[in-house]
Amino acid sequence: NAGVTQTPKFRVLKTGQSMTLLCAQDMNHEYMYWYRQDPGMGLRLIHYSVGEGTTAKGEVPDGYNVSRLKKQNFLLGLESAAPSQTSVYFCASRYPGTQGPANTEAFFGQGTRLTVV
Amino acid sequence: ILNVEQSPQSLHVQEGDSTNFTCSFPSSNFYALHWYRWETAKSPEALFVMTLNGDEKKKGRISATLNTKEGYSYLYIKGSQPEDSATYLCASQGGSEKLVFGKGTKLTVNP
Repeated sequence: NAGVTQTPKFRVLKTGQSMTLLCAQDMNHEYMYWYRQDPGMGLRLIHYSVGEGTTAKGEVPDGYNVSRLKKQNFLLGLESAAPSQTSVYFCASRYPGTQGPANTEAFFGQGTRLTVV
Repeated sequence: ILNVEQSPQSLHVQEGDSTNFTCSFPSSNFYALHWYRWETAKSPEALFVMTLNGDEKKKGRISATLNTKEGYSYLYIKGSQPEDSATYLCASQGGSEKLVFGKGTKLTVNP
């Protein structure tokens, strides 16, 4: 049982390049989240999804797009990377849907360290 | 957007000391309050999820309380050990879906 897996673990981009971060979970969770972690800022919510085919904006969505074409995958895209997007990105998932209450804990991936130069 | 505040930002204690942190959150549209432990170079791991006013949860030497009417939660660590050193995050779940984190309290326990 792998839990939440993020790909890649590390990446260096040049300003203006694009890339996609992949988050995959094998726990049949309905809700998935993308956060960024910056020094002194904790975890800030970028986008989230409450089910296959749905996405919603979080606290800091600008410059990012997301897609949830399959329930187990949540993709985070950077169309034109900027140095301000240098960060560590964490994906999380929770809530098995009809199998329990909605106040369930989140499970996190191992993080993706992205540097934009 | 939910505004979740944690204090203090950082804390240094000696081994054996007991300590506590505070998490404040908007009491409107409240659904649940989460606490996570985040060790350096690892991913956050859940400690507690609480929903009811007056909830108290305990896991070993760590416990938490919840006051939904005034919008705060306390995390207590009894007899801190060096392995308790980590950042402790709280997150407010507004509605059943969105999960918004505070900036965390970084705890350092000196042997």
